[in-house]
Amino acid sequence: QKEVEQNSGPLSVPEGAIASLNCTYSDRVSQSFFWYRQYSGKSPELIMSIYSNGDKEDGRFTAQLNKASQYVSLLIRDSQPSDSATYLCAVNSGYSTLTFGKGTMLLVSP
Amino acid sequence: DVKVTQSSRYLVKRTGEKVFLECVQDMDHENMFWYRQDPGLGLRLIYFSYDVKMKEKGDIPEGYSVSREKKERFSLILESASTNQTSMYLCASSFSTGAGELFFGEGSRLTVL
Repeated sequence: QKEVEQNSGPLSVPEGAIASLNCTYSDRVSQSFFWYRQYSGKSPELIMSIYSNGDKEDGRFTAQLNKASQYVSLLIRDSQPSDSATYLCAVNSGYSTLTFGKGTMLLVSP
Repeated sequence: DVKVTQSSRYLVKRTGEKVFLECVQDMDHENMFWYRQDPGLGLRLIYFSYDVKMKEKGDIPEGYSVSREKKERFSLILESASTNQTSMYLCASSFSTGAGELFFGEGSRLTVL
């Protein structure tokens, strides 16, 4: 069974701080990694994808991938209260299907 | 914008009833998925389809079936609803080359009494 592990949180950070969200996965052959954001009562939306080792930056968001350690992270710089949501890590598990972690709740306080 | 539309946002059904959840996407996506989301368990894949009339079991297919007669429409069927199928059901779609870039519908919250 392929597994994706995340700390459930909540992770609390003050406005303007860097939020660091982490994820580990069990399937060593996974090639594609995603971060979805889910606001309370809403459906998940894709915010970042990463396919190769290293960092990928998009605005205030940076995804980091280390395949040797089977580790993916998401950094949110200058966190805003509007970033408060649950962040889901997802790993491609074949046939374009994803295995999702249970999510980390992020709370950004003004 | 991609639009994935689920037919019902909220449903209340009785144990033993047959339940249909319908999903339509307007982006000509090849792949369609049904997930359920439960507190503490996260998103779990029920079934998916990568082409018309094709279906594949996900991680938790027991108690469910699906139908894909047209490319844009993917239906989830609960033949005899049970209380443990009370959940939020999420439909998603993607291109065949999407490598996991899923677009989700708004969800259908099903309560089985």
